[in-house]
Formats: sequence, C-alpha cells, structure tokens
Amino acid sequence: DAMVIQNPRYQVTQFGKPVTLSCSQTLNHNVMYWYQQKSSQAPKLLFHYYDKDFNNEADTPDNFQSRRPNTSFCFLDIRSPGLGDAAMYLCATSRANQYEQYFGPGTRLTVT
Amino acid sequence: AQKITQTQPGMFVQEKEAVTLDCTYDTSDQSYGLFWYKQPSSGEMIFLIYQGSYDEQNATEGRYSLNFQKARKSANLVISASQLGDSAMYFCAMRRAGTASKLTFGTGTRLQVTL
Repeated sequence: DAMVIQNPRYQVTQFGKPVTLSCSQTLNHNVMYWYQQKSSQAPKLLFHYYDKDFNNEADTPDNFQSRRPNTSFCFLDIRSPGLGDAAMYLCATSRANQYEQYFGPGTRLTVT
Repeated sequence: AQKITQTQPGMFVQEKEAVTLDCTYDTSDQSYGLFWYKQPSSGEMIFLIYQGSYDEQNATEGRYSLNFQKARKSANLVISASQLGDSAMYFCAMRRAGTASKLTFGTGTRLQVTL
C-alpha cells in the first residue's frame, strides 16, 4: 500500500545532542510537510518542501532544519534539542493543488 | 490569516448514539478546504472527511458527515452510531486553495465513547 512512513516512532535524545527524524513516502507526492505537535496542542507547521524548494514558516526556530535528498525522503534535523522541543513530529505529503494531506504515524521525541 | 475554533475541549457520548463536534472558522479566502482528522492515543493523524468551500452538498464518509454552513462559517462533524473505537482526539482543520498551502488546525475535541 502507498503510504507515509516515519522512523523511528519513538526517539530519545539528550539535551543539546543533534537528532534526525526521517520520513519517506511511496505516494510520489511532490509536497512534503513537517508539523510539530506539543502535548495537548494542535499541530503546527514547521516547514515544507515543494519539490526541491524549501519553505520555512516565519516562526520556526533556526534550530530546526530539513533536507530532502529526493522525492521519497525528507529529514528533520534538530541541531541542539532543548527540553521545549519534546513533541510529536508529524510528516505529511500532498500533491500540489490537492487539498488532502496524508500523514505518517509520527515520531514522538523525548529530550532528557 | 485563517483561524479554526473548536469550543468543546471534551465530549462524552454513549455507544450507538450520534454526536456532533463543533467547528467554526474564519478566513478571508473564497476558495478553501475544510477537514476533520482523528488522532488516537498512538498519535497518528487519520483523515476522516473533507468539504470544499464551493461544494453545495454536505460531505459524507460512512458514519461521518460534515454539516457545512458557509454563511455561519461552521463545519461541524457528525458521527453516527458511535463505537468504542471512536474515542480519540478530533481536529478540525482548513487549508486555502493553492499550491502547498499549510493546514491550520483547531485545538481539538477529545471524544470519549462510553458503554
């Protein structure tokens, strides 16, 4: 089945230790999104890629970076995680000009 | 800017009963889409139903229907014949028309289905 996959599902990292979260898709969608969802809050968009074009949200901290080496994969890098970065990170994909976004299962990040 | 308001932090419903989850929105866009997502405790965001701003008919997907009242800017989700597996967080969201626009989510409603 075509799908959005996120690895790992659970990630524990230490304060200040760089961490990378992975998202892959078999849907061949040209847009990929990263959302951050803190406990008991709504998801909030960090950034997205439209093909190779990176689009950062204005309020996304510089601590968060992303890479998209090809259509299928997109990575979220947190350069120096703080305790406030503990959250669920959701990857989503869509076709350009299509409304629906398809979400992966998420990666729950814990910072110790 | 777009805004979604969900005024019910939590709701209870008995199994087999219907329940309505409220959602109002604010936007100056003429063309947009409205969504409902279900998020169980596992964290995955599950798409339930979609309504386009120009759709005249209310959307339905199985036990889910979206009561779209454009003039009131409301997009309530109706779940018929509730099941225990419906217990989850429900998010209303909207997205403007156009390439790669983001989803703006409401704060969610936690639904608990009881026996």
